[in-house]
Amino acid sequence: QQQVKQSPQSLIVQKGGISIINCAYENTAFDYFPWYQQFPGKGPALLIAIRPDVSEKKEGRFTISFNKSAKQFSLHIMDSQPGDSATYFCAASHQAGTALIFGKGTTLSVSS
Amino acid sequence: GAVVSQHPSWVICKSGTSVKIECRSLDFQATTMFWYRQFPKQSLMLMATSNEGSKATYEQGVEKDKFLINHASLTLSTLTVTSAHPEDSSFYICSASGLAGGGTDTQYFGPGTRLTVL
Repeated sequence: QQQVKQSPQSLIVQKGGISIINCAYENTAFDYFPWYQQFPGKGPALLIAIRPDVSEKKEGRFTISFNKSAKQFSLHIMDSQPGDSATYFCAASHQAGTALIFGKGTTLSVSS
Repeated sequence: GAVVSQHPSWVICKSGTSVKIECRSLDFQATTMFWYRQFPKQSLMLMATSNEGSKATYEQGVEKDKFLINHASLTLSTLTVTSAHPEDSSFYICSASGLAGGGTDTQYFGPGTRLTVL
């Protein structure tokens, strides 16, 4: 049973466009939802994270939108750049210090 | 801040030998460390969770006698792959959480270790 479902699997966006990646979760006990960016051969790097008490969080060009009733959250990358080309993972956890449950990842390619 | 290092970054070993991978939190105390395994073009798969001074908790299907985890201090955890076989070849990534500004929920990942078993 996949607890965090991520889509799409791959995404191609033109430079300057908006990249949108979606995730849905099943466990209502989850209370922490981070997004990670991973380049080939590197470890994941935390991009941005949100908790269920807010519906949106923005950091620079990255925005998380959170819909608690629908159990969905999404990552928006504004003004996408070729340097954003990477694999993005959404994740969730239900207790401080516990392991993250990861989505399957989205490979983003930003064409110049 | 919140830097996690891993050593070595890559290792090649012969089948049947053991390999130790170190994970260090450089600028914060990691009360909990996690070990993940990642196959090419796949997501991260949690192997085990370790708390400083306690035995690691392994995920279902992960052989604890094969993947030995030690978390002896608040800044160091080690993963030893014993009697390695080619099927153990993978990308091993650790993460650490603790009081690093983001609170205990935030996990900071190391750069990963590429293990190749010949």
